[in-house]
Amino acid sequence: GENVEQHPSTLSVQEGDSAVIKCTYSDSASNYFPWYKQELGKRPQLIIDIRSNVGEKKDQRIAVTLNKTAKHFSLHITETQPEDSAVYFCASTPGGGGNKLTFGTGTQLKVEL
Amino acid sequence: SQTIHQWPATLVQPVGSPLSLECTVEGTSNPNLYWYRQAAGRGLQLLFYSVGIGQISSEVPQNLSASRPQDRQFILSSKKLLLSDSGFYLCAWSPRVGEQYFGPGTRLTVT
Repeated sequence: GENVEQHPSTLSVQEGDSAVIKCTYSDSASNYFPWYKQELGKRPQLIIDIRSNVGEKKDQRIAVTLNKTAKHFSLHITETQPEDSAVYFCASTPGGGGNKLTFGTGTQLKVEL
Repeated sequence: SQTIHQWPATLVQPVGSPLSLECTVEGTSNPNLYWYRQAAGRGLQLLFYSVGIGQISSEVPQNLSASRPQDRQFILSSKKLLLSDSGFYLCAWSPRVGEQYFGPGTRLTVT
């Protein structure tokens, strides 16, 4: 089955710096890649996603890039703010049908003042 | 717009007691529904998913079960809780392949 690896597990940046979180997947037929943000004690929230026919997608300070050849995708957050502090999860939907998401293990992002 | 509800929000149960968690979705029909568990400080573990009434797929063998008695209702149950069942239980729904939206969750503590 699909395997998703996520790095780093923790990331600390200064306010205003950029943060990058990377994920790799194993199923070359995977075709959908969402990113979730989970604040402490809250539900995961879908913040951005990308499908396999697109290489990059941007939404204000957040962007996701996808390299299908290398089977990896990344979340980029620019001009980080304290409210960006949370756990971020990547995920993928394997190809070949089915409606399940395989999640990465999460990255704890801390934005320091 | 669509809304997903879960209750109760928090629950404290003794070991060996039964469990019933409920999830309902409004504003959509025939959604895919999912139950996840998240242990403290850990990732998301898929427990069950359903593509329709009465159709349940189990991902992890355990003492939990799920049922979908109505199109927009998903129930997670246990006959006898274990200490290891403690965690944050999240229901999610999906309108199509990929996108999943999570409910507010139930925080279960087994004592």
